Amino acid sequence: GENVEQHPSTLSVQEGDSAVIKCTYSDSASNYFPWYKQELGKRPQLIIDIRSNVGEKKDQRIAVTLNKTAKHFSLHITETQPEDSAVYFCAASILTGGGNKLTFGTGTQLKVEL
Amino acid sequence: SAVISQKPSRDICQRGTSLTIQCQVDSQVTMMFWYRQQPGQSLTLIATANQGSEATYESGFVIDKFPISRPNLTFSTLTVSNMSPEDSSIYLCSVAQVLGETQYFGPGTRLLVL
Repeated sequence: GENVEQHPSTLSVQEGDSAVIKCTYSDSASNYFPWYKQELGKRPQLIIDIRSNVGEKKDQRIAVTLNKTAKHFSLHITETQPEDSAVYFCAASILTGGGNKLTFGTGTQLKVEL
Repeated sequence: SAVISQKPSRDICQRGTSLTIQCQVDSQVTMMFWYRQQPGQSLTLIATANQGSEATYESGFVIDKFPISRPNLTFSTLTVSNMSPEDSSIYLCSVAQVLGETQYFGPGTRLLVL
């Protein structure tokens, strides 16, 4: 089955700096890669996703890049703010024929310091 | 996106007992899933809840321990049977409007087994 590795496990940045979280996946058939943000005691919230037919997607301060050949995808947060502090999870899925099942990475605890 | 609710939001149970968790969506959805998130850990898929038929379980999860029902397109239940302290986790349902679309999570049920 699919295996998703995520690094780093913890990340501390100064407010205004950029943060990058990286994931690798094992199943070359995976074609959908969402990122979820989970604040303490809250549900995971989708923040951005990318499908395998594009290499990059951006939404304001958040961007995701995908390298299908290397089976890598990354989350980039620019101009970080204290409210960006949370646990971030990457995931991989095979849509349609794979039944939408998500395999999650181990999570990254992001702390944005003032 | 659909509004998802779960009951109960939290519970404390004695070992050997069972707890049924409900997931209700405010609109019809094709896909419903159940995940487990152990303390400080990532999310692991338990099963896909199939309407009108038996759920599809992931490796390591069995129907006798986690029976699932899905009587219609807006409702599902997960039962945690014969509980032990190792079952202490957050249990989350997620939904996708149609096959191949983004999953959104319910608020979760925090379970503590003593």
